[in-house]
Amino acid sequence: DVVMTQSPLSLPVTLGQPASISCRSSQSLVYSDGNTYLNWFQQRPGQSPRRLIYKVSNRDSGVPDRFSGSGSGTDFTLKISRVEAEDVGVYYCMQGTHWPLITFGQGTRLEIK
Amino acid sequence: EVQLVQSGAEVKKPGESLKISCKGSGYSFTSYWIGWVRQMPGKGLEWMGIIYPGDSDTRYSPSFQGQVTISADKSISTAYLQWSSLKASDTAMYYCARHGATVVTPGYDYWGQGTLVTVSS
Repeated sequence: DVVMTQSPLSLPVTLGQPASISCRSSQSLVYSDGNTYLNWFQQRPGQSPRRLIYKVSNRDSGVPDRFSGSGSGTDFTLKISRVEAEDVGVYYCMQGTHWPLITFGQGTRLEIK
Repeated sequence: EVQLVQSGAEVKKPGESLKISCKGSGYSFTSYWIGWVRQMPGKGLEWMGIIYPGDSDTRYSPSFQGQVTISADKSISTAYLQWSSLKASDTAMYYCARHGATVVTPGYDYWGQGTLVTVSS
């Protein structure tokens, strides 16, 4: 199985300050077609997950540009340039490269300090 | 508008059977795989498996193989997740999501609202 390891697991952030979440995979996420199938999701309290970023760095429609994704191979990062109150929730990375076994990271809980 | 609408919350006793549903609309239901994801209370997301409603091709995570059955009825654009004998440890929120048009895909761009399953004697 491909293990996805996120850090930190808890992230207290002051409003207006940046935040960064790391996601490391136990195997390369580069697929045979050259793409890297690494997604980031946000789950606000009481809501379904929402995809923010797909294929490492592509922002979904409607996602604020303060969210950005980067990385390659086995190391990936989600950055929020200036945290707002609505960003509170749990963030997950997910790999879809090693199908049929899709795996999620453990989740990182972002809270306002 | 793409929508996935799941059936309502369920309260069951251990040993009972259950089938929950996920109805898709706003896109070609038979052309996209549908995935199921479990979230136990206070825990993270776990991928369970997927189904292609066009031909009912189904794949399971090894962790869930034999524990649940995923099916679909393309005539009514609905996917299902079922248990033959529930356990207390099946208590969780279950989400369906659009996996994608191909098996290796970014996917998971649309999610249902979740179905809360509570199993208690």
